[in-house]
Amino acid sequence: QKEVEQNSGPLSVPEGAIASLNCTYSDRGSQSFFWYRQYSGKSPELIMFIYSNGDKEDGRFTAQLNKASQYVSLLIRDSQPSDSATYLCAVRSGGYNKLIFGAGTRLAVHP
Amino acid sequence: KAGVTQTPRYLIKTRGQQVTLSCSPISGHRSVSWYQQTPGQGLQFLFEYFSETQRNKGNFPGRFSGRQFSNSRSEMNVSTLELGDSALYLCASSVGTSGTYQETQYFGPGTRLLVL
Repeated sequence: QKEVEQNSGPLSVPEGAIASLNCTYSDRGSQSFFWYRQYSGKSPELIMFIYSNGDKEDGRFTAQLNKASQYVSLLIRDSQPSDSATYLCAVRSGGYNKLIFGAGTRLAVHP
Repeated sequence: KAGVTQTPRYLIKTRGQQVTLSCSPISGHRSVSWYQQTPGQGLQFLFEYFSETQRNKGNFPGRFSGRQFSNSRSEMNVSTLELGDSALYLCASSVGTSGTYQETQYFGPGTRLLVL
């Protein structure tokens, strides 16, 4: 079993819709969870991080964390074509700054 | 504030050679982590340096090594290159405060290495 799992997609949503991206992790001791966005040919860009159960909102983005079920999700409201990218879920593992990444979910927002 | 910088951006090497990549963190950041990204394996953690000391290491062979200087700049070295080392090498910097689980990492643009 992979430590961090994501559906590879592509997830296709129409412009203006809500995109829902999911991630599960295996290490129950994990405390910090991150969402990065990566455009083709570019490096990952931090979107949000969350470490408490519940929801955390930042503009059009909402991160949700459920530690009991070991899943993290990212909602993107009012999706735009510019949101089309690969979204990487990362979990801090073993302390300090070691991040374990999922394989990423490719999101395609079509006009 | 300037972001994380990496040099060179592109590199072509042949099998058996060695390569050194450089990373300058965001000003004030003392932690530098290195990652390898390939289509098959995704993003994988190589190692992290903080205050010139390696404090975390991933599951890579000893051919992969690194160091950090007193100004927090970091270098990563790969010796005896193999075809499978072709990848995007990313470094990420963070403040580095020990034990702070809220700490976030910011990635540089990466160095794309092609091994022929």
